[in-house]
Amino acid sequence: DIQMTQSPSSLSASIGDTVTITCQANQDIGNFLNWYQQRPGKAPKLLVSDASTLATGVPSRFSGRGSGTHFTFTISGLQPEDFATYYCQQYDDFYTFGQGTKLEIK
Amino acid sequence: QIQLQESGPGLVKPSATLSLTCTVSGFYMDSYYWNWIRQAPGKGLEWIGYINFFENSSNPSLKSRVTVSMDSSKNQFSLKLTSVTAADTAVYYCAGGRKDYFDYWGQGTPVAVSS
Repeated sequence: DIQMTQSPSSLSASIGDTVTITCQANQDIGNFLNWYQQRPGKAPKLLVSDASTLATGVPSRFSGRGSGTHFTFTISGLQPEDFATYYCQQYDDFYTFGQGTKLEIK
Repeated sequence: QIQLQESGPGLVKPSATLSLTCTVSGFYMDSYYWNWIRQAPGKGLEWIGYINFFENSSNPSLKSRVTVSMDSSKNQFSLKLTSVTAADTAVYYCAGGRKDYFDYWGQGTPVAVSS
């Protein structure tokens, strides 16, 4: 089984801050990694595919990097609508999600 | 515009079969992969299974209990999960996209397992 470990599990930040979330796989998954945003009571929304490709219509303040087992997701210049929970998801072997990172307003 | 909408009972008895349907509009179903994903209360996301015109697959941890089927003539795909327990209580989402990612989602439907 491929396990995905996200850190931190929660994060407090202010409008305009830059934040980075880390996702670690327990085996090499190449760049087979996506990132999603989920607002309370809503379905997840794809933000980044293939570790670093921004989905259509996603603002450029979001970015993803990494390959192999270590991945990062960065939001540069937090906006009010960015406070949500973020998940990484691998698709190298079936599909598994990280446990999520809840981004809260400081 | 692609839209997905889940439907089905919100309450299922323990040991019974959970059945949900997802209706897809605005898209030709045969081109994409159609998935079921769930989220237990306060928890993260768990992929359940997918179906495509050519293949289907399911989460090994659920495989023996899961059936995902598709009726493209009705623009629908369905989930059956047998022998449910309280651990199957969750919001169930249908989602579609390429095989690599899920870019279209339904709004989710809550399902509780309780007698």
